[in-house]
Amino acid sequence: NAGVTQTPKFQVLKTGQSMTLQCAQDMNHNSMYWYRQDPGMGLRLIYYSASEGTTDKGEVPNGYNVSRLNKREFSLRLESAAPSQTSVYFCASSWATGAGYGYTFGSGTRLTVV
Amino acid sequence: ILNVEQSPQSLHVQEGDSTNFTCSFPSSNFYALHWYRWETAKSPEALFVMTLNGDEKKKGRISATLNTKEGYSYLYIKGSQPEDSATYLCAPNTGNQFYFGTGTSLTVIP
Repeated sequence: NAGVTQTPKFQVLKTGQSMTLQCAQDMNHNSMYWYRQDPGMGLRLIYYSASEGTTDKGEVPNGYNVSRLNKREFSLRLESAAPSQTSVYFCASSWATGAGYGYTFGSGTRLTVV
Repeated sequence: ILNVEQSPQSLHVQEGDSTNFTCSFPSSNFYALHWYRWETAKSPEALFVMTLNGDEKKKGRISATLNTKEGYSYLYIKGSQPEDSATYLCAPNTGNQFYFGTGTSLTVIP
């Protein structure tokens, strides 16, 4: 079972460059999420998709866009990368956004913007 | 934004010791709370999903309790083993989204 797969695992970008982080899950989950992890802070929600065809902003959406391509895939795009976006990014999925459903996380993407 | 506090930040215990840590959150509008275990170089793994005041969950040597009226949850590990070394995250939800604490880092010394 692959679970949640994120690509790439590591990336270095120059300021102003763009890139897309890919995420795919094979558990038939309805909901998917993008989080960022910064030193000294808890995981912070960037965007989420409660179900195929919907996306909503989380706590820190500025500078990011997302696409729920289909039920399996949820991508995160940085249009013009900034050093403040240096972080570790985690994709997660769950059966639904309701209280009773734990998340399954991917292994993370370590992004450095120079 | 929800203020989630986990204490202690880090903990070193000897193998065989029992330990516990705390997750504190605002008690108003409580919806649910998740506990996750996060080993170094891996991704967070769900331990417990808790929704009701007084909930007690158990998984092997690890258990958790929830008090929604006073806004805290405890995680207990009985007879700690080196493989329990990890960061333990809590994430309460007040109806909007889950907010993650910074975690308690546990090191079990053989």
